[in-house]
Amino acid sequence: DAGVIQSPRHEVTEMGQEVTLRCKPISGHDYLFWYRQTMMRGLELLIYFNNNVPIDDSGMPEDRFSAKMPNASFSTLKIQPSEPRDSAVYFCASSLIQGRRNEQYFGPGTRLTVT
Amino acid sequence: DAKTTQPNSMESNEEEPVHLPCNHSTISGTDYIHWYRQLPSQGPEYVIHGLTSNVNNRMASLAIAEDRKSSTLILHRATLRDAAVYYCILRDEGGRDTGRRALTFGSGTRLQVQP
Repeated sequence: DAGVIQSPRHEVTEMGQEVTLRCKPISGHDYLFWYRQTMMRGLELLIYFNNNVPIDDSGMPEDRFSAKMPNASFSTLKIQPSEPRDSAVYFCASSLIQGRRNEQYFGPGTRLTVT
Repeated sequence: DAKTTQPNSMESNEEEPVHLPCNHSTISGTDYIHWYRQLPSQGPEYVIHGLTSNVNNRMASLAIAEDRKSSTLILHRATLRDAAVYYCILRDEGGRDTGRRALTFGSGTRLQVQP
C-alpha cells in the first residue's frame, strides 16, 4: 500500500485566496483525521470522520475552515478565505479500528504558507 | 483525556540504549498508553502501545509501571535515524463511545542521537 497520500506537498498562496488540501487514506481504513502543526501550538486535531461521516469538528478554528469526505477514498480540507495565521503543516491520518490496535497512519503533510 | 508529562529533550549516543520517560499520574483504567514519533519533516508514526503489561515490538519496548502512573519507552540500540520527537499519548478506549479515537499530542521529547 502507498500509505496516506496528501496533495499538494507545498502550497504558497496569498491572503484571501481559497486553499484546498487533499487526502487519500489507506484503502479499507474507516477513520480519517485532519491535524494541523505549528511551532506555537504543536499538533492539534481539526476534525475526524468515521465511515465518511464527520464525528468531531470541535477543533476546526472557525467558519473559514471546512472539511468533506465524499467517499471512503478521498477527503478535502478547505480554507476560504485564507489568512497568514493559517500557515502550518496540515497532516491527514487514517486508521482501521480493529481490536485494540487503532494505530493511526499519517501522511507526509502539506506545508501551507499564506502571505 | 488524561495528561502526560515528558522531558523536553534528551540526548543519547549511537548504539546505546535510550529510556524515554512519561508520567501520567491521572491515567484512568481504560486509557491505553500510545507512543508515536515524528522524524524531521515527516508525519508522526506509530511506535508502540500498551495497557498494563510490558510490550515489545521490532521498534521498541514499552515498560509500564505497576500502578500505571508512568511508563518508559525503550530503544535498545539508538541509531541516528531514531533522532525524532517522541510523543507519549493516553487514549481512552473503553466504553461504547467508539468516537473517541483521536490522538491528543503534547509537546513530546526531542531525542538527539550523537554519533
